[in-house]
Amino acid sequence: QKEVEQNSGPLSVPEGAIASLNCTYSDRGSQSFFWYRQYSGKSPELIMSIYSNGDKEDGRFTAQLNKASQYVSLLIRDSQPSDSATYLCAVKRNQGGKLIFGQGTELSVKP
Amino acid sequence: GAVVSQHPSRVICKSGTSVKIECRSLDFQATTMFWYRQFPKQSLMLMATSNEGSKATYEQGVEKDKFLINHASLTLSTLTVTSAHPEDSSFYICSARALGPAAFTDTQYFGPGTRLTVL
Repeated sequence: QKEVEQNSGPLSVPEGAIASLNCTYSDRGSQSFFWYRQYSGKSPELIMSIYSNGDKEDGRFTAQLNKASQYVSLLIRDSQPSDSATYLCAVKRNQGGKLIFGQGTELSVKP
Repeated sequence: GAVVSQHPSRVICKSGTSVKIECRSLDFQATTMFWYRQFPKQSLMLMATSNEGSKATYEQGVEKDKFLINHASLTLSTLTVTSAHPEDSSFYICSARALGPAAFTDTQYFGPGTRLTVL
């Protein structure tokens, strides 16, 4: 079992719809969770961090964390073609601070 | 805030030469920086953790004599690819750890990456 798992996609949604990206992790003691966006040929860009159970909203983005079920998700409301990218879920190891990345979910928003 | 720069953004070199890549945290101090490599259509692969003032910690399978890392100041880490070969051609990305109010809130910010092509 991989430490962090995501559906590789591609996930295709129409413009204006809600895109839902999911991630599960295996280390129950993890405390820090991050979503990064990576456009093709570019480096990852931090979108959200979340540390507590529940929802965290930032503009059109909402991160959801459920530690009991060991999953974290990212919702993108009113999806735009410019949101088309690969979304990386990352979980930070408590020791050493390394990030463990999922394989990423490719999102395509169709006009 | 939390801006990380990398230089150069792109480099083409001949096989057998050495290439140095710089990673700088511009608006914060970073005691820890990380170096990643990414091949096309693949996820990020952590190469090493760079700690200011001490030796880098390399991930399993990464040759420390080939990928030399120096973290001489709180804002600068360098990666030198020695005796580069075509199979070293890749996208090299650094990140710097920005401290949060608690250890678990520390966040990594990524540089824009360096695309290395070895002929």
